[in-house]
Amino acid sequence: SQQGEEDPQALSIQEGENATMNCSYKTSINNLQWYRQNSGRGLVHLILIRSNEREKHSGRLRVTLDTSKKSSSLLITASRAADTASYFCATEGGSYIPTFGRGTSLIVHP
Amino acid sequence: EAQVTQNPRYLITVTGKKLTVTCSQNMNHEYMSWYRQDPGLGLRQIYYSMNVEVTDKGDVPEGYKVSRKEKRNFPLILESPSPNQTSLYFCASSFSGDTWNEQFFGPGTRLTVL
Repeated sequence: SQQGEEDPQALSIQEGENATMNCSYKTSINNLQWYRQNSGRGLVHLILIRSNEREKHSGRLRVTLDTSKKSSSLLITASRAADTASYFCATEGGSYIPTFGRGTSLIVHP
Repeated sequence: EAQVTQNPRYLITVTGKKLTVTCSQNMNHEYMSWYRQDPGLGLRQIYYSMNVEVTDKGDVPEGYKVSRKEKRNFPLILESPSPNQTSLYFCASSFSGDTWNEQFFGPGTRLTVL
């Protein structure tokens, strides 16, 4: 199955700053999804971007997708302490077996 | 409230003692799946089900069984648990379609096999 890998592994910022996380994958996809996980809890869906889309917004979140580079980025603007969590990208290419990356651990200091 | 529930939330057991982790969703979703999460490895899919009586292997199915007799339930069965199955397990569900859709995750089951 495909591999989604997030970069960086860990990110530490101050409240109010922007946070950018990247995801790279290896083969063609139908869509790419971003999820958030608070420590030890279930994942929460953030955004789904399809392979024919280049950018999507949801509140303070902006996701881009570059299929030629097989990469995506998640931007969180004006971060808050409550954004502290791990963020995962997940890719799927038609098999209904998604591949999750290892995640980016984001810490937002108040 | 739309949700995915899992039980138990925490379980400590011994090698070889059969166990079942239940999963139930109230959103009438066709697609359900099980994942395990291990440090440094991210989430890996164990099994998935596209609908009642339809199940398929994911990336790491060895040592696990599932069944889908009803649309809302998708139990995970460990016939003979081993210590390498110590992990955090998540059930998830979504509507089916022509693509893998937004997943709704349960709260997780932390399993320790001694």
